[in-house]
Amino acid sequence: EVQLVESGGGLIKPGGSLRLSCTASGFTLSNAWMTWVRQAPGMGLEWVGRIRSQSDGGAADYAAPVRGRFTISRDDSTNTVYLQMNSLKTEDTAVYYCTPLTRMPGYSGYVRDWGQGTLVTVSS
Amino acid sequence: DIQMTQSPSTLSASVGDRVTFTCRASQSISSWLAWYQQKPGKAPKLLIYKASSLESGVPSRFSGSGSGTEFTLTISSLQPDDFATYYCQQYNTYLSFGQGTKVEVK
Repeated sequence: EVQLVESGGGLIKPGGSLRLSCTASGFTLSNAWMTWVRQAPGMGLEWVGRIRSQSDGGAADYAAPVRGRFTISRDDSTNTVYLQMNSLKTEDTAVYYCTPLTRMPGYSGYVRDWGQGTLVTVSS
Repeated sequence: DIQMTQSPSTLSASVGDRVTFTCRASQSISSWLAWYQQKPGKAPKLLIYKASSLESGVPSRFSGSGSGTEFTLTISSLQPDDFATYYCQQYNTYLSFGQGTKVEVK
């Protein structure tokens, strides 16, 4: 059974930094492309970014609203994916989900398995 | 970036109704589209992938169709458990989601 546990959320002031962690089990993380999706309170789902598997180069891509401020990384030895969030804005307030992508080569993929998410609140 | 637009934003329906809602992509995404159901306070649940493939365990009253830029999700006979918000997501280029369609009690 796939399990995803996000942690590290909390209350942070605008301009601050926070690092979220995602611990995965029930599948081979090293083979997976992982993605972060967020959902602001009362709003829809928004893609944040993805990281390729190491065998596919390990690079990350980001949505425009977070590009240059957020960084996704992975440590396959500990089955953990990270989201480093810098220069946080009030509009980054959301529940953040970390998920593996089910994909075909050449395409990004969709999400079968979700964790419970972790809430980030950016407020002064 | 590929923009996804869902309509309507809210749909009022009754148990037993056949409901259909639409998702449009700003450019062709072939059939690289998924649909999710989300209930308040819960993570989304995958219903459909590759535009029309039913995820294992999802009731057969859910069906998806379309290709290119226009897609539909149909619930053939709405059940009490189906009142929720539905999102489409393209995965042709990176990922992007529609803004959602909320199905509420009429």
